[in-house]
Amino acid sequence: EAQVTQNPRYLITVTGKKLTVTCSQNMNHEYMSWYRQDPGLGLRQIYYSMNVEVTDKGDVPEGYKVSRKEKRNFPLILESPSPNQTSLYFCASSFGTRDTQYFGPGTRLTVL
Amino acid sequence: AQKVTQAQTEISVVEKEDVTLDCVYETRDTTYYLFWYKQPPSGELVFLIRRNSFDEQNEISGRYSWNFQKSTSSFNFTITASQVVDSAVYFCALSENAGNMLTFGGGTRLMVKP
Repeated sequence: EAQVTQNPRYLITVTGKKLTVTCSQNMNHEYMSWYRQDPGLGLRQIYYSMNVEVTDKGDVPEGYKVSRKEKRNFPLILESPSPNQTSLYFCASSFGTRDTQYFGPGTRLTVL
Repeated sequence: AQKVTQAQTEISVVEKEDVTLDCVYETRDTTYYLFWYKQPPSGELVFLIRRNSFDEQNEISGRYSWNFQKSTSSFNFTITASQVVDSAVYFCALSENAGNMLTFGGGTRLMVKP
């Protein structure tokens, strides 16, 4: 089954404790992206990757890191999480930016 | 810079009513792509439709229809004879041909009451 998976689905952590949210897709998509969803703000793009080893900042990259060492995986790293990073996070993938992006199930992160 | 506005933050209708969700966009690009996604209460994002800027034909899929008007930079979504299962947050999104990002509107929460 074609899908985008994210782990964990739920995470409660404390300020400053490094964490990684994994994202994997099995559709051989070149483009992958991370979004955060906050009430009233819709989804905002954090980082995106056009291909392996090619990443770039989205609209809200501060406090986040990403890497793209393999085509299928695109982890999101929060090196020192803060409460303002409490949000719902989505990973997505597509063949290209003009194409339909398919989203993972979301990761609800709470930073205390 | 590209921008998407969904002015209706919340709409409430009674089952079987028709409802239109508005989407207005801004872009300097002549080639661009518009999308609608549905987010039901379970939280996942479900793709509904993709249109490119050269295709202004309206589209109908069952009870769903989309009205794309370049002259007013709008891509509105109509649900005919709404049902309780249509209750969700709906997002409109825009991708420019010259860019690498997908920009979402703030979303419209639709509540369909029995």
